[in-house]
Amino acid sequence: DAGVTQSPTHLIKTRGQQVTLRCSPKSGHDTVSWYQQALGQGPQFIFQYYEEEERQRGNFPDRFSGHQFPNYSSELNVNALLLGDSALYLCATTGGLSYNEQFFGPGTRLTVL
Amino acid sequence: DQQVKQNSPSLSVQEGRISILNCDYTNSMFDYFLWYKKYPAEGPTFLISISSIKDKNEDGRFTVFLNKSAKHLSLHIVPSQPGDSAVYFCAASKGGGADGLTFGKGTHLIIQP
Repeated sequence: DAGVTQSPTHLIKTRGQQVTLRCSPKSGHDTVSWYQQALGQGPQFIFQYYEEEERQRGNFPDRFSGHQFPNYSSELNVNALLLGDSALYLCATTGGLSYNEQFFGPGTRLTVL
Repeated sequence: DQQVKQNSPSLSVQEGRISILNCDYTNSMFDYFLWYKKYPAEGPTFLISISSIKDKNEDGRFTVFLNKSAKHLSLHIVPSQPGDSAVYFCAASKGGGADGLTFGKGTHLIIQP
């Protein structure tokens, strides 16, 4: 079992650009959540996808959007990047027997210059 | 407005002794609490959780205590081992562990030999 995987590992973008991050869930998991972790902070909940629909959303602007595919993998898109979007983006998945626990991937480190 | 607070950025404990990590929350709607452990360059790993209907949950060397009236929880690690050195995050949710989580800023636990 590969666990939760995320790509890419690192990414450098400039202000105003758009970025897409990807997440493949742990086997048997159908729910995907995305979190943003700024330096020195705890992860902040962005949104959650289940059955290809956004089920919950945290306090993030519309520049942050997502998608879930039929195979349960997910993408996080961020438009019009700001310097403040520089952070570690974490994907967490759950489902099946581990319905009450979220398994996190290693994250994608995004740097906006 | 920080709804989950971990007021100790770091904690140093001697190997073999008890480590006690503290967490306070302000939102009375939270009904499920979790502790995650994070090593550098890895995603957070689930440690232990507790529902608001309980006041204690044990799993091996880890015990979580919940004091609802004080809106306070703590994680006890006994005995502390070198591999316990990591950042520990307290998290809370309003609908179980699969919902969007609200995290504290974390406490860096250092186990001294």
